[in-house]
Amino acid sequence: ETGVTQTPRHLVMGMTNKKSLKCEQHLGHNAMYWYKQSAKKPLELMFVYSLEERVENNSVPSRFSPECPNSSHLFLHLHTLQPEDSALYLCASSQGRLGSNYGYTFGSGTRLTVV
Amino acid sequence: AQSVTQLGSHVSVSEGALVLLRCNYSSSVPPYLFWYVQYPNQGLQLLLKYTTGATLVKGINGFEAEFKKSETSFHLTKPSAHMSDAAEYFCAVSPFSGGYNKLIFGAGTRLAVHP
Repeated sequence: ETGVTQTPRHLVMGMTNKKSLKCEQHLGHNAMYWYKQSAKKPLELMFVYSLEERVENNSVPSRFSPECPNSSHLFLHLHTLQPEDSALYLCASSQGRLGSNYGYTFGSGTRLTVV
Repeated sequence: AQSVTQLGSHVSVSEGALVLLRCNYSSSVPPYLFWYVQYPNQGLQLLLKYTTGATLVKGINGFEAEFKKSETSFHLTKPSAHMSDAAEYFCAVSPFSGGYNKLIFGAGTRLAVHP
């Protein structure tokens, strides 16, 4: 158990479906992150929430919609995805202080397959 | 802007041989530096980190890394590779900007260990 829990671990969805990924942490962290990891590509930072406010959105298509209702929970709502969106989606949390030396704690990821 | 370069996307060693994974960073001031490991279909796990103090940092699973400011490097080593070390390794830097804890990751190095 890493302290960051992601559900579901695996998800297969059609291009017209709507689904959500969930991330939960009880580490007392105040920053949470979504990353996309595709085969043979570097980690792509998608969204950053610090103190429940979205502070970074790296040109992510609108078919991905994040939500951070409180400092312990982070969601990624998915709709009308494309096959190229198939990837491992990783959630992470950290202490959000400037220049923090804490690093991130990662969840185990959700393996998403779009058919 | 800060960046991280990992030399070699794939490294292959024999079991029992030295492991050396290279990481160079660009930064105007010494940042905090991290190494993460990722096993298949898992999230990233912190191996070790450098913040301040001793430049030789020891981590889990027998890995260590040395911060060399003059070379802007933070290479990861292990004296004797084990089959279980086969994984992908990511170097990351935490810059002092942005108002929140933001890690910048390298592209990763996949380590293969053969008998």
